[in-house]
Amino acid sequence: GIQVEQSPPDLILQEGANSTLRCNFSDSVNNLQWFHQNPWGQLINLFYIPSGTKQNGRLSATTVATERYSLLYISSSQTTDSGVYFCAVDASGGSNYKLTFGKGTLLTVNP
Amino acid sequence: EAGVAQSPRYKIIEKRQSVAFWCNPISGHATLYWYQQILGQGPKLLIQFQNNGVVDDSQLPKDRFSAERLKGVDSTLKIQPAKLEDSAVYLCASSLWEGKETQYFGPGTRLLVL
Repeated sequence: GIQVEQSPPDLILQEGANSTLRCNFSDSVNNLQWFHQNPWGQLINLFYIPSGTKQNGRLSATTVATERYSLLYISSSQTTDSGVYFCAVDASGGSNYKLTFGKGTLLTVNP
Repeated sequence: EAGVAQSPRYKIIEKRQSVAFWCNPISGHATLYWYQQILGQGPKLLIQFQNNGVVDDSQLPKDRFSAERLKGVDSTLKIQPAKLEDSAVYLCASSLWEGKETQYFGPGTRLLVL
């Protein structure tokens, strides 16, 4: 099956700093999503981004499908950004949308 | 719009006991997913329903896990008998249709098997 690798595994920032999280995948994908899992365990959609670039406030994401990677940018980080960031891809083909998750990046933003 | 609801939020059982989890997806969402998330890992898909039919259960340990989605709305996931390695968070997600749609996740049920 498809392999999804995220880096770095852990990241510690001071409030206000910027960061870039990376997601590499081993095969062509139909779709890609970024999620934030908050300290209470809730998974929250950030981006649905099979290709191209999207922005939402301080967050933006870019997926280069031909080179099999996606980047998540966090600018002016806040303590509420802390948690685990997951990249998930769908490589199933057809109409069966099946997400495979990476192991995540644990982000800690200190005040 | 109400999100995906799950219950219970926490459950502690002893090994070899049985347990059931309940999920109510977002209204109108045809596709429902159950995931297992072991500590330190990303969620792993257990089973996917399209309305009340199973689309994918290839990673469901069928000797002990079962799931159903009667009437194409609510779903239950059951483990019988539970093993220590089943300790995890069980997440339910739903999406509008089977196509390339964003999945929305519930808060999860944290299961501890002693």
